[in-house]
Amino acid sequence: SYGLTQPPSLSVAPGKTAKITCGGNNIEDKSVHWYLQKPGQAPVLVIQSDSDRPSGIPRRFSGSNSGNTATLTIRGVEAGDEADYYCQVWERTSDGRHVIFGGGTKMTVL
Amino acid sequence: QVQLQESGPGLVKPSETLSLTCDVSGFSISSGYYWGWIRQPPGKGLEWIASIFHSDSIYYNPSLKYRVTILMDSPKNQFSLRLNSATVADTAVYYCARMGATDNWFDVWGQGTRVTVSS
Repeated sequence: SYGLTQPPSLSVAPGKTAKITCGGNNIEDKSVHWYLQKPGQAPVLVIQSDSDRPSGIPRRFSGSNSGNTATLTIRGVEAGDEADYYCQVWERTSDGRHVIFGGGTKMTVL
Repeated sequence: QVQLQESGPGLVKPSETLSLTCDVSGFSISSGYYWGWIRQPPGKGLEWIASIFHSDSIYYNPSLKYRVTILMDSPKNQFSLRLNSATVADTAVYYCARMGATDNWFDVWGQGTRVTVSS
């Protein structure tokens, strides 16, 4: 079955740029979505279809997808960006369609 | 404004059935979206359980498909989850969410409900 690989953790200083990766075989052929989740809260969609921002998401958040890696980029990181981040795809298989989440990346703002 | 609210028992005994309902307000569940369940064990990541578009379009996580049923109740504007033969490993926060039928991202989530499987 298809798998998505994320680094377990990432630390970044305020004001710097964070890049969170999501690895998968030929992931560029899939549409990748990104969520952030703060402690005790439900996930929130921050990037849809590789690089589109939903309404209300700051322009500091952007996404890209090429080859075997999709990337969520957060520019000008703020303390409030500290959260767990998950990538997600919709996989078509011989026995149907499945949602697949990456394992998540815990981003710490130093 | 679309809102989803999970409800169900917070404690389930091992081997029993875990049953949850998601009430949807501000949007008709018959209006062309998938509706899904996702869970998150304590300290772990997100795990997709199942999604339903209508009775002929249902998808299950292969690792759970023999124990899980997802149903829609359009008149009540709600959908539900049943997980049979619960074990301690099913202890988690369970979320219901709306997913686009063509876009396949979860754009609206419930707040989540914590379910503990314990005797």
